[in-house]
Amino acid sequence: EVQLVESGGGLVQPGGSLRLSCSASGFTFSSYAMHWVRQAPGKGLEYVSAISSNGGSTYYADSVKGRFTISRDNSKNTLYLQMSSLRAEDTAVYYCVKLVNSWGKGTTVTVSS
Amino acid sequence: DIVMTQSPDSLAVSLGERATINCKSSQSVLYSSNNKNYLAWYQQKPGQPPKLLIYWASTRESGVPDRFSGSGSGTDFTLTISSLQAEDVAVYYCQQYYSTLLITFGQGTRLEIK
Repeated sequence: EVQLVESGGGLVQPGGSLRLSCSASGFTFSSYAMHWVRQAPGKGLEYVSAISSNGGSTYYADSVKGRFTISRDNSKNTLYLQMSSLRAEDTAVYYCVKLVNSWGKGTTVTVSS
Repeated sequence: DIVMTQSPDSLAVSLGERATINCKSSQSVLYSSNNKNYLAWYQQKPGQPPKLLIYWASTRESGVPDRFSGSGSGTDFTLTISSLQAEDVAVYYCQQYYSTLLITFGQGTRLEIK
């Protein structure tokens, strides 16, 4: 059974940094592209970032480009999202996603002073 | 980027009646080499992650009730719930995965009981 478990969320001040992790199990992690998707309170789903199976290609939404960095460690079956220069509008639940049928439960990031 | 537009934004349907949600993509998500539409439908209930209902535009995920069906090709797609049940109250999203690293979602459709 595929399992994706996010961690690392919390309360951070504007301008601060946070690193999210997603621990994967139940599938061959190194064979799949992985994604981060977020959902602000009361809002819809917003694509954040993606990384290819070997880490060689990455993509970012315009809203996070230059501030967030996605990476992965295939030896540890773990996906990361390094977030810096955080803004209030980054407040959301962040989901780790393996297309199309596997989502983690999410980790909450709150950016507030 | 492929823009996904759902209609309507919200919908109220009586129990046992049909619910229809539409999704339009700004460009085709039909991959000609395998004749597959890279389009999925999700259901999301409060406090939960999205749940996959349909993939390849019309393939029902294992365990999803057969009252849920997907149709369409190219740029126009539909999710149909043939006979609405109380537990179907949720927000529904379409998603394209034609661009493997750049997935996009519709804005969501809120489904309620009339």
